[in-house]
Amino acid sequence: GAVVSQHPSRVICKSGTSVKIECRSLDFQATTMFWYRQFPKQSLMLMATSNEGSKATYEQGVEKDKFLINHASLTLSTLTVTSAHPEDSSFYICSARVEAGTEAFFGQGTRLTVV
Amino acid sequence: AQSVTQLDSQVPVFEEAPVELRCNYSSSVSVYLFWYVQYPNQGLQLLLKYLSGSTLVKGINGFEAEFNKSQTSFHLRKPSVHISDTAEYFCAVYTGGFKTIFGAGTRLFVKA
Repeated sequence: GAVVSQHPSRVICKSGTSVKIECRSLDFQATTMFWYRQFPKQSLMLMATSNEGSKATYEQGVEKDKFLINHASLTLSTLTVTSAHPEDSSFYICSARVEAGTEAFFGQGTRLTVV
Repeated sequence: AQSVTQLDSQVPVFEEAPVELRCNYSSSVSVYLFWYVQYPNQGLQLLLKYLSGSTLVKGINGFEAEFNKSQTSFHLRKPSVHISDTAEYFCAVYTGGFKTIFGAGTRLFVKA
């Protein structure tokens, strides 16, 4: 199947700083990518849908200014957690879907810890 | 609106025993159904999917699932589990838009 690479896998940052997470589709072009957040022992919560060349669509309750999403090319989407706080600590997962397909491919996830 | 219900949050089972993880969905339109597995601190890996055709779907690692339209279910089964099957399993529904709806997850714990 197609490969989605997410980087970094783990990051620790100080409160108040910003962190960027990258999501790349390695062998296919993804016009749409998705960003999820997962709390311990819980399911995936969709944060936003990222479309190449346009603004991301955020789910209700997700702060746009807090979680900046950029989808600058057909193979790269980035999530920047701005002015991170300890409550932003979580597992973030991206996924990408081939435009005409039905299966979403997932990245390995990023464990963010804000201290 | 679509929804997915995984009826068991945890399923403990002994090694080499059979297991069934239950999933029910609701949708007013046709759906595609998926089962994903997640190992600790990793992303999701697709186990199997139902798009159309045969209602019995076989996936990786010896798992299979059966789509039952009348009962709106898509239960996951494995005849004999291994310790390495210990993980979180997610049932998901996709209706042809772009969003995938996930269930809450079932923690499968295989005991020696």
